[in-house]
Amino acid sequence: EPEVTQTPSHQVTQMGQEVILRCVPISNHLYFYWYRQILGQKVEFLVSFYNNEISEKSEIFDDQFSVERPDGSNFTLKIRSTKLEDSAMYFCASTISSRSNEQFFGPGTRLTVL
Amino acid sequence: RKEVEQDPGPFNVPEGATVAFNCTYSNSASQSFFWYRQDCRKEPKLLMSVYSSGNEDGRFTAQLNRASQYISLLIRDSKLSDSATYLCVVSLYSGNTPLVFGKGTRLSVIA
Repeated sequence: EPEVTQTPSHQVTQMGQEVILRCVPISNHLYFYWYRQILGQKVEFLVSFYNNEISEKSEIFDDQFSVERPDGSNFTLKIRSTKLEDSAMYFCASTISSRSNEQFFGPGTRLTVL
Repeated sequence: RKEVEQDPGPFNVPEGATVAFNCTYSNSASQSFFWYRQDCRKEPKLLMSVYSSGNEDGRFTAQLNRASQYISLLIRDSKLSDSATYLCVVSLYSGNTPLVFGKGTRLSVIA
C-alpha cells in the first residue's frame, strides 16, 4: 500500500541552526501539508502546498519556515534558525485531489532543538 | 475559545466494553468531520469520516449533530488493540483544506 515517507525519523540540532525535514508524498497525490505536534499537545496545521506554491499557511508558519518541492517526489520543510520551541514532531501529509479531504500522514520527524 | 474540544480522558475500560467519545467544534461553517486514531508517538491515522446521517464501520459508529456542533464516536466490544488516542478532526471546507485537530481522548482497554 502506498505511503508517505519522512526522513530523518529523529533530528537533533542546536538552537540557531537550520534544519531541513524531508517528505516523499504518495506518488499520485497533488496536495501536500505540514503539521506539527508539540509533545502532549494537539496536532497543528503549518502549511499546505499545491502546484508548486503555498495554498494556505497558519500563523505558526512565519518567516523562519519555508517549503519546497525541489523535484517530482520530495517535499521539504526548512526551518532557518531553530528555536527551542520548535522542538516537536513534524508530520507531512498528502491528499490526492481537491475533492478528497482524506489526508494521509507520514510517520513524522521528531525534531529536538538543544 | 478552543476550536475542537474533547474530553482528554483517560478512559480505562475492560475488554468487551462499549465506550463513547464526544467532541464539540466552535466553527459552525465546518464542513468535514473525521475521527483519527493516534498511537503513542506515531502519526494520526484516519479511522472514519463522519457524515450527517451517521455512519458505522464494524464496531465503530460515528454521529454528527450540526445544530449542536457535536460529534461522537462509539466503540463496541472494545479490544486491547483499540488502546490509542482518538482525535476529533474538522475542516472548514470540503476538499483541500487544513485539518483542525482536537487534543484527543486517550483510551486504554484492559484485559
